[in-house]
Amino acid sequence: AQSVTQLGSHVSVSEGALVLLRCNYSSSVPPYLFWYVQYPNQGLQLLLKYTSAATLVKGINGFEAEFKKSETSFHLTKPSAHMSDAAEYFCALGEGSNYKLTFGKGTLLTVNP
Amino acid sequence: SQTIHQWPATLVQPVGSPLSLECTVEGTSNPNLYWYRQAAGRGLQLLFYSVGIGQISSEVPQNLSASRPQDRQFILSSKKLLLSDSGFYLCAWSTGQGGNTIYFGEGSWLTVV
Repeated sequence: AQSVTQLGSHVSVSEGALVLLRCNYSSSVPPYLFWYVQYPNQGLQLLLKYTSAATLVKGINGFEAEFKKSETSFHLTKPSAHMSDAAEYFCALGEGSNYKLTFGKGTLLTVNP
Repeated sequence: SQTIHQWPATLVQPVGSPLSLECTVEGTSNPNLYWYRQAAGRGLQLLFYSVGIGQISSEVPQNLSASRPQDRQFILSSKKLLLSDSGFYLCAWSTGQGGNTIYFGEGSWLTVV
């Protein structure tokens, strides 16, 4: 069965520091992987998507994620955090013929001045 | 370009009253449609999805139902609300199958009192 695990329900960083949000997945077939961001009281917005074309995926707002098959991971990073990055981040997994995505439980990112 | 609208944005309803949340998608045909719920501390829960008119799949047993009267319209309903129905409801859409991106609406806050 497919699953997504986000390590750390809450991550706190200082402005200008590296952001690292962790995501591990379990899938029996080649996965599609996504990162979404949710600002307070809003819907989810797609940050980036992995579809096997390249293992390093660049997204919006300076975020990127690297697919590592050997580690079954898809961690999200940003070199320098900005106050506007404070939000909840969700990792999601899609598979082959499945219409649905499996979401992780989310990681709340706090950015301190 | 494609857009998704859901309404109302905020709703306060007494226990035992009915519910109707509506969602429409513009700019695409035959989308897959989804209803998700976010309750405090419980992440993102898929309630229903639909791959075509009249085709509704329910993910969890609950007090809610969904209907798709038109190709790009998805409605979430309840005959009698429970306190536990409170939460943030998100409509979403995608096209095709297998790892396609799911796009979310802005969400509807439901408080059952």
